[in-house]
Amino acid sequence: NAGVTQTPKFRILKIGQSMTLQCAQDMNHNYMYWYRQDPGMGLKLIYYSVGAGITDKGEVPNGYNVSRSTTEDFPLRLELAAPSQTSVYFCASREVGSLDEQFFGPGTRLTVL
Amino acid sequence: RKEVEQDPGPFNVPEGATVAFNCTYSNSASQSFFWYRQDCRKEPKLLMSVYSSGNEDGRFTAQLNRASQYISLLIRDSKLSDSATYLCVVNPSLGGYNKLIFGAGTRLAVHP
Repeated sequence: NAGVTQTPKFRILKIGQSMTLQCAQDMNHNYMYWYRQDPGMGLKLIYYSVGAGITDKGEVPNGYNVSRSTTEDFPLRLELAAPSQTSVYFCASREVGSLDEQFFGPGTRLTVL
Repeated sequence: RKEVEQDPGPFNVPEGATVAFNCTYSNSASQSFFWYRQDCRKEPKLLMSVYSSGNEDGRFTAQLNRASQYISLLIRDSKLSDSATYLCVVNPSLGGYNKLIFGAGTRLAVHP
């Protein structure tokens, strides 16, 4: 199993550009999450999904959108990128009924200039 | 007050030392607790869950004090490979969708 995969690994955007961060998992997990991690800070939840077709906002959803058309994929869309969105983005998944362990992807480092 | 607070460190210790990290949480109704490890520029990975009775996994011991709302992690006989950032993580709700609250992490540097 590849686990949780994320693409791209790095990206530089100009202010106002848009992009989609890709996340996929091959563990058949229903629950998936998007976090951002700023330097010296804890991870903040952006959006989460409890299954295909179901998504909900986390702590810091402004400026982002998600969709979940399949169990495997959970892309994160940035519209009109701003410097405040410079961060490392982690996708995670979890099995329903597990002991709460979330499995993380390797992250995407995004810089908005 | 932050929901989960940790001493950011860094803790600089020699190999073989014993080091302890503490973490406090603000929501007294929090249900489950964890320590995750994050290597430099890598993703977090679960180190261990923390149970009310305390639990041990090799050189690592985790304790929970619900009355004082703090969690601790003790590392004995530190190895160079223990150098990482240790994240205190709290699940504030029972069941649900596991919306974890992460502390900012405590950095550990083990030197020869």
